[in-house]
Amino acid sequence: EEQLVESGGGLVQSGGSLRLSCAASGFTFSSFDMHWVRQTTGKGLEWVSAVGTASDTYYADFVEGRFTISREDGKNSLFLQMNSLRAEDTGVYYCARVTKWGWYFGLWGRGTLVTVSS
Amino acid sequence: EIVLTQSPATLSLSPGERATLSCRASQSISRFLAWYQQKPGQAPSLLIYDASNRAPGIPARFSGRGSGTDFTLTISSLEPEDFAVYYCQQRSNWPPLTFGGGTKVEIK
Repeated sequence: EEQLVESGGGLVQSGGSLRLSCAASGFTFSSFDMHWVRQTTGKGLEWVSAVGTASDTYYADFVEGRFTISREDGKNSLFLQMNSLRAEDTGVYYCARVTKWGWYFGLWGRGTLVTVSS
Repeated sequence: EIVLTQSPATLSLSPGERATLSCRASQSISRFLAWYQQKPGQAPSLLIYDASNRAPGIPARFSGRGSGTDFTLTISSLEPEDFAVYYCQQRSNWPPLTFGGGTKVEIK
């Protein structure tokens, strides 16, 4: 069964850091571009970042250099290092795999909750 | 950035009725639009890609149409499990990929 499982969320103070992880199983992880998508109360679903199979990276403007996406294909894992966190970063962070038809999301994890206290 | 505007925000219907959801893009996105369904406590799930193609395993009562800036998701006859929130997403012009604000389909 294809699966994505996120971890690493939690409660952090404004200005703090968290490192999210996503463990993939049931498919050839190295063959897919991978993304982080978040869901916040204020903005709904927001695309955060992507990493391609060649480790090329892409970020939403609101990241402003604070987050770093990476992947470790040998461990079937995706990461998001988040620094300088703000209250508006509070939300559920999903790991998502693209489809073979393009950058739509055909497989999602259950999400990990990030809460930034001000 | 391409802004996707979904309407209505809430749709109150009864099981068996037809649901028509709209997604409008701030500029042309050709047919590069997907629709997702999200139930409480769950991640979104892909229904439709490239405006009109059903994802594997999606029932035929779900259909999508449109191109350019105007798109529609239709559920021909609502089943109890279809009451959920629906989102559109574009992949035409990125970064960023963008989502609409969602339409909640609730039981009348």
